[in-house]
Amino acid sequence: EAGVTQSPTHLIKTRGQQATLRCSPISGHTSVYWYQQALGLGLQFLLWYDEGEERNRGNFPPRFSGRQFPNYSSELNVNALELEDSALYLCASYITGQYHEQYFGPGTRLTVT
Amino acid sequence: SQQGEEDPQALSIQEGENATMNCSYKTSINNLQWYRQNSGRGLVHLILIRSNEREKHSGRLRVTLDTSKKSSSLLITASRAADTASYFCATDGNDYKLSFGAGTTVTVRA
Repeated sequence: EAGVTQSPTHLIKTRGQQATLRCSPISGHTSVYWYQQALGLGLQFLLWYDEGEERNRGNFPPRFSGRQFPNYSSELNVNALELEDSALYLCASYITGQYHEQYFGPGTRLTVT
Repeated sequence: SQQGEEDPQALSIQEGENATMNCSYKTSINNLQWYRQNSGRGLVHLILIRSNEREKHSGRLRVTLDTSKKSSSLLITASRAADTASYFCATDGNDYKLSFGAGTTVTVRA
């Protein structure tokens, strides 16, 4: 069974630009979560998508947005990039109705210069 | 804000020794999970303990949960170099999102 995949692995952008990160969940998983992990810190919840709908979002400004496609893959967009957006962005998927064990992808390392 | 707080922040042990780390949280939970992260990569799920359970084992891992104290502990027995990683606790409330602590960094010396 293929795991959660994320692309790209690394992304370098300059301040003010836009970044698009992609995530493909495990086959059969309908929920996708996005997290931000700044260097040396824990994970901060960003967004939760389930069945194509945004179900919950964390305490992040509106320039962090995303969507979930009919095949349950997801995209995270970060507009007007700021230096402090530099972080590892992790995507996780899980099967709705289970005990909420999440399966994580390898992450996208975003660097804003 | 983060729900869980791990303690200690960092731990260095000799191969073969046991490693114990603790997690405290603030609000009521449905379950608590522990994850491992190697070198800034994705997290790997280790073990889940439900709010009505007090102890759970998985291989060399032992997790306890004390809901009256809002705390959990993770014990790794007979540690190996491959156990070097950061360990996070995550709590699951009623809002269908996990809240992670800042993690404990464990270094196992050969």
